[in-house]
Amino acid sequence: GENVEQHPSTLSVQEGDSAVIKCTYSDSASNYFPWYKQELGKRPQLIIDIRSNVGEKKDQRIAVTLNKTAKHFSLHITETQPEDSAVYFCAAIYSGGGADGLTFGKGTHLIIQP
Amino acid sequence: ETGVTQSPTHLIKTRGQQVTLRCSSQSGHNTVSWYQQALGQGPQFIFQYYREEENGRGNFPPRFSGLQFPNYSSELNVNALELDDSALYLCASSLSLGLNYGYTFGSGTRLTVV
Repeated sequence: GENVEQHPSTLSVQEGDSAVIKCTYSDSASNYFPWYKQELGKRPQLIIDIRSNVGEKKDQRIAVTLNKTAKHFSLHITETQPEDSAVYFCAAIYSGGGADGLTFGKGTHLIIQP
Repeated sequence: ETGVTQSPTHLIKTRGQQVTLRCSSQSGHNTVSWYQQALGQGPQFIFQYYREEENGRGNFPPRFSGLQFPNYSSELNVNALELDDSALYLCASSLSLGLNYGYTFGSGTRLTVV
C-alpha cells in the first residue's frame, strides 16, 4: 500500500517569511495529492491539491509542487500570517475509481511567530 | 459550511461496548469514507462506501463495520471497544469515485473509551 512521509513535524517561522513542508510517497500509481489544514479541534480543510499531470499549482500565497520522478511534493506558503498557524497534512491517493482511501502524512505543526 | 455533518460530536464509552457514529454527506455526494485520527497523528483510512456498497477498506479489524443508506448518509459501527479506539472519527464525502473529485470532511466525532 501507499506510504506518505512528511517533514518537518514542527516548523516555526517569523511572520512574513515563507514556509515549506515536504512529503514523499511510495506508490507511483498515486495521482492525486491534496493538502489539508487542521486547526485545533476542527475538521481538516482542503487548501490546495495537485494532480499527477501537473507540476505546480498556485493559489494566492499557497503553492504546491510535484516531482513524479522523485515521488515527492511540497507545500509552499509565502508571506505567512498568524492565521496560517495550524497543523498541515499532505495526502496521496490513486483516485481512478479504485478502492483505496487517502493516505496521510503525520502532519506538520506550523507556528507563525509574531 | 461544508455540508458534511457528523453526530454525535463527543461520546464516552466503556471498553467492550459498541458504538454507532453517523454521517450525512454533502448534498449530491454518493461516496463516503471514514477515517480514524488518533491524537497527534494523521487520519487513517477505515473504509469507503459508494452507492451503498463497501468499496475499499484500510487496515482495520472486522469489528469496524459500516453502512451507507439510499440517501448516501452513512454509519460507522465499532464493536467490542478497546482503549486504543479512542480517537477523532472523521467522515469525508466526495461527489463520486474517480480522479476529478475532492474530499470534504466533517467536523468529526471525538470518541473516548474508558
